[in-house]
Amino acid sequence: AQTVTQSQPEMSVQEAETVTLSCTYDTSENNYYLFWYKQPPSRQMILVIRQEAYKQQNATENRFSVNFQKAAKSFSLKISDSQLGDTAMYFCAFMKLPSGNTPLVFGKGTRLSVIA
Amino acid sequence: DSGVTQTPKHLITATGQRVTLRCSPRSGDLSVYWYQQSLDQGLQFLIQYYNGEERAKGNILERFSAQQFPDLHSELNLSSLELGDSALYFCASSTPGVNGYTFGSGTRLTVV
Repeated sequence: AQTVTQSQPEMSVQEAETVTLSCTYDTSENNYYLFWYKQPPSRQMILVIRQEAYKQQNATENRFSVNFQKAAKSFSLKISDSQLGDTAMYFCAFMKLPSGNTPLVFGKGTRLSVIA
Repeated sequence: DSGVTQTPKHLITATGQRVTLRCSPRSGDLSVYWYQQSLDQGLQFLIQYYNGEERAKGNILERFSAQQFPDLHSELNLSSLELGDSALYFCASSTPGVNGYTFGSGTRLTVV
């Protein structure tokens, strides 16, 4: 079974600064996907970024980027130029293949507060 | 609107009662997943249905059951409710070969 660990229950960052959220996972699979989801106070689950394990290049979406270290089973999220709207719970998630037909396995989340 | 519709949005009920949560997946998606999120916790996978059949089971209690109907909507039935069942219940849908999962806005269940 796969497990996802987020070791930082809470973090805070000043507006416009950069913050990195950590995630490690455990799996015996070689091909899989990793995700970061954002859950703002509205409780809606919003996909932030996705990484395919077979790709060496780290995924980037605007101010959001990941540092994917497959050998270390590490998948951190970097948020640049933090904005007040980034305040939310952030969940790291793992999905084994076949894509689109297996459940996501989530970590317990990191609560991020962006301070003005 | 994410395309996944969950009803009702809020539900308050008493201990020992039974409730049914409903989920309509995004158009074209064949898989439906149910997750439970207790206060300030991560999402716990409960069960997955694919095209009407149960495909995967997670930490789902025996008091809970689910099904997916021919029109692909799904229902999660929670019975003999306890205070600890109070949580946000999410439904998500996906299609094989597509890497996106779409989440509904959740049903907030409060057991009093």
